[in-house]
Amino acid sequence: NAGVTQTPKFRVLKTGQSMTLLCAQDMNHEYMYWYRQDPGMGLRLIHYSVGEGTTAKGEVPDGYNVSRLKKQNFLLGLESAAPSQTSVYFCASSRDRVGSYEQYFGPGTRLTVT
Amino acid sequence: EDQVTQSPEALRLQEGESSSLNCSYTVSGLRGLFWYRQDPGKGPEFLFTLYSAGEEKEKERLKATLTKKESFLHITAPKPEDSATYLCAVQAAGNTDKLIFGTGTRLQVFP
Repeated sequence: NAGVTQTPKFRVLKTGQSMTLLCAQDMNHEYMYWYRQDPGMGLRLIHYSVGEGTTAKGEVPDGYNVSRLKKQNFLLGLESAAPSQTSVYFCASSRDRVGSYEQYFGPGTRLTVT
Repeated sequence: EDQVTQSPEALRLQEGESSSLNCSYTVSGLRGLFWYRQDPGKGPEFLFTLYSAGEEKEKERLKATLTKKESFLHITAPKPEDSATYLCAVQAAGNTDKLIFGTGTRLQVFP
């Protein structure tokens, strides 16, 4: 039981390049989330999903797209990376709506955009 | 606007020196308040959920309490392994799919 895993752990992109971050969970959770964490700011929600095939915008969705084609996977895409997207990205999952069930977080992906 | 403020930003304690971390919040109807621990280079790890004023929860040397405006995380006789960043988050009644996080308190416990 690996919990929540994220790929890759580190990545450096040039401005304008694209990439996809993969999140996988083996707990059969319905809800999945993508957050970014920046110094001096709390974790901010980018996008989330309440089940397979669904996605919804969070607090800071601009510049990102997501897909949840399979229940266990949640992909975060950057179509044209910008230096402002340099951050640590965390994926999380929960059995159902947060509050009723706790969120489990992955180890993070450190992204640098130059 | 829903908001969470944590203080202090950083706290240095001697091993065995008890203290408290504060999380004050402004939210339109509190559904739940959450405490997480985050070690360097890792994702947050869930500690507690509190739902109503007056509620308390304990885990080892940690005790979380909740009032109508703030929550405290009390650390009794801390050990160096308690060193971490402690995050507070709230869930608003009007938007129960997501959490609003504070910026955290970085705790260092020295032997």
